Amino acid sequence: GDSVTQMEGPVTLSEEAFLTINCTYTATGYPSLFWYVQYPGEGLQLLLKATKADDKGSNKGFEATYRKETTSFHLEKGSVQVSDSAVYFCALKADKLIFGTGTRLQVFP
Amino acid sequence: GAGVSQSPSNKVTEKGKDVELRCDPISGHTALYWYRQSLGQGLEFLIYFQGNSAPDKSGLPSDRFSAERTGGSVSTLTIQRTQQEDSAVYLCASSSDRDRNQPQHFGDGTRLSIL
Repeated sequence: GDSVTQMEGPVTLSEEAFLTINCTYTATGYPSLFWYVQYPGEGLQLLLKATKADDKGSNKGFEATYRKETTSFHLEKGSVQVSDSAVYFCALKADKLIFGTGTRLQVFP
Repeated sequence: GAGVSQSPSNKVTEKGKDVELRCDPISGHTALYWYRQSLGQGLEFLIYFQGNSAPDKSGLPSDRFSAERTGGSVSTLTIQRTQQEDSAVYLCASSSDRDRNQPQHFGDGTRLSIL
C-alpha cells in the first residue's frame, strides 16, 4: 500500500543553518504531496503542498519539489530560525492522507 | 470559529471504561478523518468519511473502536473497554471534498489518558 518514509529526528541545527528533511514515498498512481508542521503545544498546520511532478511548494522560506523519478519530496530551508523548531510531517494523499512518522527539528541560537 | 473543533480537549478515564470523542468539521466539508498520534509516534490513520459513502474503516485497530457521522457533519469516535495502549492524542480533520489536491484541516485534538 501507499506509504511515506521520512528521516528520523531529532535534527539539531544552529540558527541560520541550512535545513534538509528527507522524505520518500511509495504510491500507486499520482498522489499529492504535503508537508505539515506541528509547533509545540499547537495543532497540525499545512506548510506546503505539490500536486504533480516537478511542482515546487513553498511557504515561510521552506521549499519542497515533487520528484517523481526519485519518489521524493525533501523539505529544505536556506536559513532556519529558532521559531522553526517544531515537528515536521511529510504526507501523501491519493484517496486518504497518509503521514510519515514526523521529524523533530530543534534550532538553537 | 471557522476551524475544526474537537471536544473534550483532554479526557482522563479508568481502564475498561467507554469514551466518546467529538469532532465538528469545518462547515461544508464533506470529508472527515480521524487519526491517532501516540507519544513519540507519527499519525496513524483510523477512519475516513466521505459524504454519504460507506466509511473507510481500514485503520481502526480493533473492534473496540467505532465511529459515526450524523447528518454528514458531526462525528463521534467511540472507544469501548479502554486499554492503557489507547492513550494518545486523537485528531480529527476535514477537507472540502474527495479531491486529492485538497489539504486537510486539523482540529487541536483530544488528549486521552487511560489510567
